[in-house]
Amino acid sequence: GESVGLHLPTLSVQEGDNSIINCAYSNSASDYFIWYKQESGKGPQFIIDIRSNMDKRQGQRVTVLLNKTVKHLSLQIAATQPGDSAVYFCAENYSGNTPLVFGKGTRLSVIA
Amino acid sequence: GAVVSQHPSRVICKSGTSVKIECRSLDFQATTMFWYRQFPKQSLMLMATSNEGSKATYEQGVEKDKFLINHASLTLSTLTVTSAHPEDSSFYICSALQGGGNTIYFGEGSWLTVV
Repeated sequence: GESVGLHLPTLSVQEGDNSIINCAYSNSASDYFIWYKQESGKGPQFIIDIRSNMDKRQGQRVTVLLNKTVKHLSLQIAATQPGDSAVYFCAENYSGNTPLVFGKGTRLSVIA
Repeated sequence: GAVVSQHPSRVICKSGTSVKIECRSLDFQATTMFWYRQFPKQSLMLMATSNEGSKATYEQGVEKDKFLINHASLTLSTLTVTSAHPEDSSFYICSALQGGGNTIYFGEGSWLTVV
């Protein structure tokens, strides 16, 4: 994959504030994007996905925005809670059945 | 929802020995499974794509003779780390592609420590 292993950037937010986590994806041919949450020592947990024919999708407390022009994906978490503290990864693939390629991840730290 | 199970969740082995990690899709058939490796504070790196009944496809830089993958049934793929060394210590995660669809489910991962 194209992902490069680097130390994770950290985003610190106050409890109750909104969080915005950004991701630059690598493959302009990718048409399916997913955000995952990973807690320490566990596998990735699906949060929300979006296909390339959309630019915004909302879930419960989360919104994903897709900007294909600049190959940028963002995850917005409303009213961030301590339980949201984790590492968040974006992932991309083409046609849904190829391997997911993961971004480098962002550690979200919620300050109570 | 669909469940992917990995076993063991944690394993410690001696340097030079081999260890097998299993990935099972519990309530669906998975013609394709993917194996990832994750070092601390890093992202998931794809190691190989495992296809039922055929040879796995390895990513560049992943030694196929060291990381043996077998996908003998539609619900089970195994990763065997042969002649393990301390630098193989990592978190190994599998994911399974639900047959007929394009949904990918992840296992909970397996921690390998080589001493």
